[in-house]
Amino acid sequence: NAGVTQTPKFRVLKTGQSMTLLCAQDMNHEYMYWYRQDPGMGLRLIHYSVGEGTTAKGEVPDGYNVSRLKKQNFLLGLESAAPSQTSVYFCASFRTSQGQHGYTFGSGTRLTVV
Amino acid sequence: AQSVAQPEDQVNVAEGNPLTVKCTYSVSGNPYLFWYVQYPNRGLQFLLKYITGDNLVKGSYGFEAEFNKSQTSFHLKKPSALVSDSALYFCAVRDSPQAGTALIFGKGTTLSVSS
Repeated sequence: NAGVTQTPKFRVLKTGQSMTLLCAQDMNHEYMYWYRQDPGMGLRLIHYSVGEGTTAKGEVPDGYNVSRLKKQNFLLGLESAAPSQTSVYFCASFRTSQGQHGYTFGSGTRLTVV
Repeated sequence: AQSVAQPEDQVNVAEGNPLTVKCTYSVSGNPYLFWYVQYPNRGLQFLLKYITGDNLVKGSYGFEAEFNKSQTSFHLKKPSALVSDSALYFCAVRDSPQAGTALIFGKGTTLSVSS
């Protein structure tokens, strides 16, 4: 089925470890986003990309890096994980086409940093 | 900058009663507004959106939202609440193209429907 796929779904990291979260979409969407969700904070934008090879910072970018080497993939990296990065991470993609203004979200990655 | 506010952390209603979840927005230009729902340990599900046109927008699961430009509000409503409507609800506004057209979310409102 077409959509946004996030891997992994769950992960436990030790403080200082690194990891990469993968977001893949098969809808040929130009725009892709990474959010984190924390209780009482809603979803906050970490980084976004408006096309292959381009990325930009969102509201809470510190401690994260991203890459968009292929249009269909948007990677979120944590170089040195901290307990404050314990969160649920959501990826989303977006494309305006024929009057549609739809965003598609992945099912999320639950990350715990101990 | 665009923003939305959800003034209530929690809304409690009895099953069968009407429900309202409030959202106010602040935007420059025309607003593109959305409502999403999240059930426990699940992802986000789209409910409805306002882009232009009729101020009353109908969405999934019997929900509707009323766009009020003068009050800068976009409240979510349902005539008769179900216990299964209990979930976390997010209002969101689309940011400008200069900011990547990202969705900006409110902090969320927990809806609890009692039987």
